Formats: sequence, structure tokens, C-alpha cells
Amino acid sequence: AQKVTQAQTEISVVEKEDVTLDCVYETRDTTYYLFWYKQPPSGELVFLIRRNSFDEQNEISGRYSWNFQKSTSSFNFTITASQVVDSAVYFCALSEAGSGGSNYKLTFGKGTLLTVNP
Amino acid sequence: AAGVIQSPRHLIKEKRETATLKCYPIPRHDTVYWYQQGPGQDPQFLISFYEKMQSDKGSIPDRFSAQQFSDYHSELNMSSLELGDSALYFCASSYGTSYEQYFGPGTRLTVT
Repeated sequence: AQKVTQAQTEISVVEKEDVTLDCVYETRDTTYYLFWYKQPPSGELVFLIRRNSFDEQNEISGRYSWNFQKSTSSFNFTITASQVVDSAVYFCALSEAGSGGSNYKLTFGKGTLLTVNP
Repeated sequence: AAGVIQSPRHLIKEKRETATLKCYPIPRHDTVYWYQQGPGQDPQFLISFYEKMQSDKGSIPDRFSAQQFSDYHSELNMSSLELGDSALYFCASSYGTSYEQYFGPGTRLTVT
């Protein structure tokens, strides 16, 4: 069974600090996909990134970067020079390749509430 | 760009009533997923449809049913509502093997 663990329930930083959100996953599949979603106070889920199990390249997008390490089953997310608008709940999620059809349901971690203070 | 549309955005029902939530996927997306997010919880997978057929099922109560129609929109029907059904219900859509699920804004259901 697939499982995602986000050990950090809440993180509070001051604006311009760097912050890393941890994500550890468990799966028995060799083919799987990892995601990060942002949920601001307004409630919508905003897709940030998808990474497949065969691509361990780290990725940078503006102030966001992701570090995928299969050896430790981790997919960590770093925000550089955080801003107040980054305040949100961040969810890490895992999808295993299904047995057929597009049934790649997401299993989410419990989420990390990030508060960026001015 | 077009996004996933969910209606209604807010719904208030009383216990034992029924509710119908609607989801309109992004054009050309053939897969729809439903998730339930309780207060302070992570989203939990309920059910999914691919090309109008149920493709996977999660911990969806028997009181709930869903279907995907010929135009790919989906409806989640909830009967005999309970207080514990109060939650944010998300619909997400994806296209074939793209694996990226794009979420709608959610329907906030309150059962009183």
C-alpha cells in the first residue's frame, strides 16, 4: 500500500528565509509519480510539480526547488526567500501506476502548514 | 485556459437529505476523480472514472454514488446525509497518460 509522510505539521518562518518541506513516501511499485500541491486559505488545490520515479533530476522553478532521492524515498520541497503569499498548506502526494485505465488516484500526506510572517 | 468547474461552490443541507455535486472537466480530459477533504484533513480519494466507466474506488460510503456522462462531466450523488459528510469535495480531471490531475475549486458541503 502506498503511504506519504509529511512529518512537519506546521512551520513558521520570517519573510525572506529559506524553508524546506519534507516528504517521505512508501510504495511497492517501481513506477510511480510524486506531486506537490499548494492549498492557500481560499481552499483550492494548486498543482506545483509532478515527478516520475525514473527521473531523479532535481528541478528549480523560480523560488521553488525540489529534491527527489529514491535512495531515501524522499521528495523534499524548498522555497527560497519565502514571501507572505507562500503561506498555505502544502501537500505531497503519490500516485502508483494503476492496473489499467487512468486510475492513478492520489494518496496525500497530511500536509504542512507554512506560515510566512512579515 | 479552461479549468475544472464544480457546482455548486457551497451547499448547505440537513441531515438525511440528498445532495448532488457536479464536475465539468477540462475540455478533452477523459478522466475524473473525486476527493473528500474533511476539516484539517488531507484529501481522500473517493472514486474515479475513465472514458465514462468507473476505473477505481476508494473509501466511498454506500450512500454515495457517482457517474460520468457522455459529455465527460461527472456527478456525485450523496443520500441520507450525515453530519460527518460535511467537507470540501474536490473534483479533478486528467487526460489519459498525462498523470497530472488538475483540481476544481471544490464544493463546500455543510450538513446541519
